Amino acid sequence: DSGVTQTPKHLITATGQRVTLRCSPRSGDLSVYWYQQSLDQGLQFLIQYYNGEERAKGNILERFSAQQFPDLHSELNLSSLELGDSALYFCASSAPDGYTFGSGTRLTVV
Amino acid sequence: AQSVAQPEDQVNVAEGNPLTVKCTYSVSGNPYLFWYVQYPNRGLQFLLKYITGDNLVKGSYGFEAEFNKSQTSFHLKKPSALVSDSALYFCAPPNQAGTALIFGKGTTLSVSS
Repeated sequence: DSGVTQTPKHLITATGQRVTLRCSPRSGDLSVYWYQQSLDQGLQFLIQYYNGEERAKGNILERFSAQQFPDLHSELNLSSLELGDSALYFCASSAPDGYTFGSGTRLTVV
Repeated sequence: AQSVAQPEDQVNVAEGNPLTVKCTYSVSGNPYLFWYVQYPNRGLQFLLKYITGDNLVKGSYGFEAEFNKSQTSFHLKKPSALVSDSALYFCAPPNQAGTALIFGKGTTLSVSS
């Protein structure tokens, strides 16, 4: 157990729908990073939050948004889902040696 | 822009043989680089990092990497491969702002018995 918790582990939804992925960072970690992993794009950085505020943005689509709450958990909201959004979504929090990753949420859009 | 290249999508090696997973980088300033491993259906796990100091970095599970500034490389190595080393390996630099790590498609290592 890495200490980073992601829920749900699997999600199947239809095109056009909206889903929310949740991440709890390791105890004491203030940063949360979201990544998307797909076969064709590899592992892409989406967005980072630090202590409730957006710190950095990567290749995040406008249909996607995120937030970090006062208890430091974070949610990634994906809307108007398309088939191409099917991927593994990882959350990571900062560690002295880099990042600690959660086990991911596998999203399947049908 | 910061970037890395892992020129091989897949590396195949027999158990007991040495393995190398290649990474070349293009970063501005003093580079710092990470290697991560992803086992099937799992999140990424930290292997090792280079920040400064010794060019030979030792990491988890018997892996090591050599930072070579003249060749802009940071290849991952292990003297004797295990079947359990079969996984997806990522070399990752930070982005330009230093706020996040950049990954790519990685290299799949397959160790046969």
